[in-house]
Amino acid sequence: GQQVMQIPQYQHVQEGEDFTTYCNSSTTLSNIQWYKQRPGGHPVFLIQLVKSGEVKKQKRLTFQFGEAKKNSSLHITATQTTDVGTYFCAALGGSQGNLIFGKGTKLSVKP
Amino acid sequence: EAQVTQNPRYLITVTGKKLTVTCSQNMNHEYMSWYRQDPGLGLRQIYYSMNVEVTDKGDVPEGYKVSRKEKRNFPLILESPSPNQTSLYFCATGPRSSYGYTFGSGTRLTVV
Repeated sequence: GQQVMQIPQYQHVQEGEDFTTYCNSSTTLSNIQWYKQRPGGHPVFLIQLVKSGEVKKQKRLTFQFGEAKKNSSLHITATQTTDVGTYFCAALGGSQGNLIFGKGTKLSVKP
Repeated sequence: EAQVTQNPRYLITVTGKKLTVTCSQNMNHEYMSWYRQDPGLGLRQIYYSMNVEVTDKGDVPEGYKVSRKEKRNFPLILESPSPNQTSLYFCATGPRSSYGYTFGSGTRLTVV
C-alpha cells in the first residue's frame, strides 16, 4: 500500500536556526498534507498541497510539493520555542479517507 | 464551536474485557477515521468511514471493530482487548473534499 517516508526522525536546533523535514513517496501523490502535533496534544492540520511544484507559506513556514508530486518539504525559518513538536506529512492511500501518515519529525528547540 | 469529542480520555482495562471508545463530531463531515499512535511508529490508520454505513479497513484493523450508524458518531470497539492494543488512539474527521482532518483530543488506553 501507499507509504510516505519522512526524514529526519529527530531534529534538535538552536533557537533561531532553520529547520527542514522531508517527505518522500515511491508513487505519485494526488496531494500531500502537513500536520503539527505539540507534546501531549493531538495532530493539527496545517496545509494541503495539490499542484505540482506548489509552494505555500504560512508566516515562517514554507511548504513545497515536488514537480513529480513524489516528495514534499516543510521548512521553518528562524525557529522559535513555540515550533517544538512533531511534524507529520500525510497522503491519500488507495481511496479517499484512507489518509496515510509519515512517521513524523520530532523538532526540539533549545532556547 | 466545531468539535471532535472522544471519550474516555484515559482508560485502564484488563485483557479480554470488551470496551468502546466513542467519537462524535458536530461538523457534518462525511469522513471519519481512527488512528493509533505508538512511539517510533507514528500514526497508523485502523479503520475509516466515508459515509454512514460505509466503513473500510486501514493499515492495522486486527482486533478492532467500528460502526457508522449515524453521520456524527464513529465508535471504536475492542471486543477482547490485549496488551498490544495499549496505545494512544485518535479519532479524526474530514469533509468530502479531504481537505485535512480534524483530530479529537485522544484516548490513552492501557490494557493490563
